[in-house]
Amino acid sequence: DQQVKQNSPSLSVQEGRISILNCDYTNSMFDYFLWYKKYPAEGPTFLISISSIKDKNEDGRFTVFLNKSAKHLSLHIVPSQPGDSAVYFCAASAGSNFGNEKLTFGTGTRLTIIP
Amino acid sequence: GAVVSQHPSRVICKSGTSVKIECRSLDFQATTMFWYRQFPKQSLMLMATSNEGSKATYEQGVEKDKFLINHASLTLSTLTVTSAHPEDSSFYICSARGGAARAFFGQGTRLTVV
Repeated sequence: DQQVKQNSPSLSVQEGRISILNCDYTNSMFDYFLWYKKYPAEGPTFLISISSIKDKNEDGRFTVFLNKSAKHLSLHIVPSQPGDSAVYFCAASAGSNFGNEKLTFGTGTRLTIIP
Repeated sequence: GAVVSQHPSRVICKSGTSVKIECRSLDFQATTMFWYRQFPKQSLMLMATSNEGSKATYEQGVEKDKFLINHASLTLSTLTVTSAHPEDSSFYICSARGGAARAFFGQGTRLTVV
């Protein structure tokens, strides 16, 4: 049972445009959501997170939007840069510990930025 | 961010042998370590959580006698895949955190059992 879903395995975006990565979840107990970025041969690195009490969190070029009623979140990257090419994982946790407990991951979306 | 080193990055072993994977926190004391596994085209799945000095807590469906986890020090946890079989071939990755801080991931280990 895949509780966190990233339905797009890949996405290509022109440099300078906006990249939008989507994530859906089914477990209503999830209260903290994270996005990780992974380059080949490296471990995932934390990118941005959002608590369920918010609907938006912004950090530089990265913004995460959360729609609790739809159980949907999205990561916006604008403007997209070649260095953003990587696999992006959505993750969720329950228990109100800021994602520091067990994480449930999506399958990832491979983002390719076209120069 | 903090540094978590995982070794080896790739290993090929014969069916029936055991393989040990190490996860080290290089610049902080890791009170908790998590071990994940990822099969092709699937998500990272948590296998077990270990707290320093105590037995690991395994997720449902993960055989604790097959996947031995040792977290004997604040900077090192090991995962031993015992009597490995081809179906154990996967990508194994650890993450570590100190206290209530966010966890950091190692680079992962690609295990191939032939």
